[in-house]
Amino acid sequence: DQQVKQNSPSLSVQEGRISILNCDYTNSMFDYFLWYKKYPAEGPTFLISISSIKDKNEDGRFTVFLNKSAKHLSLHIVPSQPGDSAVYFCAATIWGYGQNFVFGPGTRLSVLP
Amino acid sequence: EAGVAQSPRYKIIEKRQSVAFWCNPISGHATLYWYQQILGQGPKLLIQFQNNGVVDDSQLPKDRFSAERLKGVDSTLKIQPAKLEDSAVYLCASSFPSGGVRMNTEAFFGQGTRLTVV
Repeated sequence: DQQVKQNSPSLSVQEGRISILNCDYTNSMFDYFLWYKKYPAEGPTFLISISSIKDKNEDGRFTVFLNKSAKHLSLHIVPSQPGDSAVYFCAATIWGYGQNFVFGPGTRLSVLP
Repeated sequence: EAGVAQSPRYKIIEKRQSVAFWCNPISGHATLYWYQQILGQGPKLLIQFQNNGVVDDSQLPKDRFSAERLKGVDSTLKIQPAKLEDSAVYLCASSFPSGGVRMNTEAFFGQGTRLTVV
């Protein structure tokens, strides 16, 4: 039973355009969400997060939107750069002491020059 | 600040052999996780420690996998005997400082150990 889903295994975008990566979750207890980026042969690195008390969080070129009623979040990258090419994982947790992170299967983003 | 250290980076073993992975978390991080990432999938939690106590090991195949966290710092994950389906990247991660009631934020990952069972 996949609690965090990323239905697009891959996405290709032209440099300078917007990349939109989507994530859906099924567990209504989740109230804190994170995006990680992973390059080959490296561990995932934290990118941006959002709490369920917000519907948007911005950090430079990266914005995460949360739609609680739809149990859906998305990561927007504007403008996309070739260095953004990586696998992006959506993760969810329950805000509190000692909770673990549940990851989606990832979306491979390719930004074409 | 030093990151999460893992060793070895790569390991190839034959099925039914045993293998061990080592992790040194970020200094002061109370929570340590071991994740298994099979090719094409997201990381799956195997075990979570809080200091040197186990918080969650519900997805750890306990007939063949074991893990310990010595003195609440370093951790080792062992597989004995290994099966072909254990081929994966094993990721160690740590999060938030020990003490107090600071809530969970992001986990910091090591580079992982790529295990190939042949």
